[in-house]
Amino acid sequence: KNEVEQSPQNLTAQEGEFITINCSYSVGISALHWLQQHPGGGIVSLFMLSSGKKKHGRLIATINIQEKHSSLHITASHPRDSAVYICAAQDNYGQNFVFGPGTRLSVLP
Amino acid sequence: NAGVTQTPKFRILKIGQSMTLQCAQDMNHNYMYWYRQDPGMGLKLIYYSVGAGITDKGEVPNGYNVSRSTTEDFPLRLELAAPSQTSVYFCASSYRSDRGEQYFGPGTRLTVT
Repeated sequence: KNEVEQSPQNLTAQEGEFITINCSYSVGISALHWLQQHPGGGIVSLFMLSSGKKKHGRLIATINIQEKHSSLHITASHPRDSAVYICAAQDNYGQNFVFGPGTRLSVLP
Repeated sequence: NAGVTQTPKFRILKIGQSMTLQCAQDMNHNYMYWYRQDPGMGLKLIYYSVGAGITDKGEVPNGYNVSRSTTEDFPLRLELAAPSQTSVYFCASSYRSDRGEQYFGPGTRLTVT
């Protein structure tokens, strides 16, 4: 069974800071997903990665398959980035997902 | 497109009652999923479906049943509700597993007392 860990659990940043959230998993996967859960509870998919790096606006996600590690970076953070960020490991059959516990980010103005 | 819709938004059940959580998507997605999220915990997969007529268990299927008679709908049935099933339930869908960006519904908050 895949174990997915995230660090830090909680993160408080000042507006404009560069933020990094880390995710590690224990078993080989077909893809790694990053999700954002808003304070109201809604969940949005940010990235799906199987190798390398992806960028959407101020968000960058990277994955190192050999080290079983992924990072989510937020550049020039803004209070509207305050949310819980969740990584999820998709198994090699592509159908089962194991989720990390989430990182709660607060960006202060 | 409405995306993924779930009903009801909230529900309180008594121990031993049954109910069905509804989930529908209008994106012609093949893959659909049910998750539960307990307070302070990560999402856990209950059941998933790779197409109409095909379902399979996830990590925490006990106490639940699903069916997938159409591409659009994926209801989750709770039989004999227990306090341990108090949770927020999310339905999600994706087009295919290797293009697996998931689209989530708004969630159903269920309390069993």
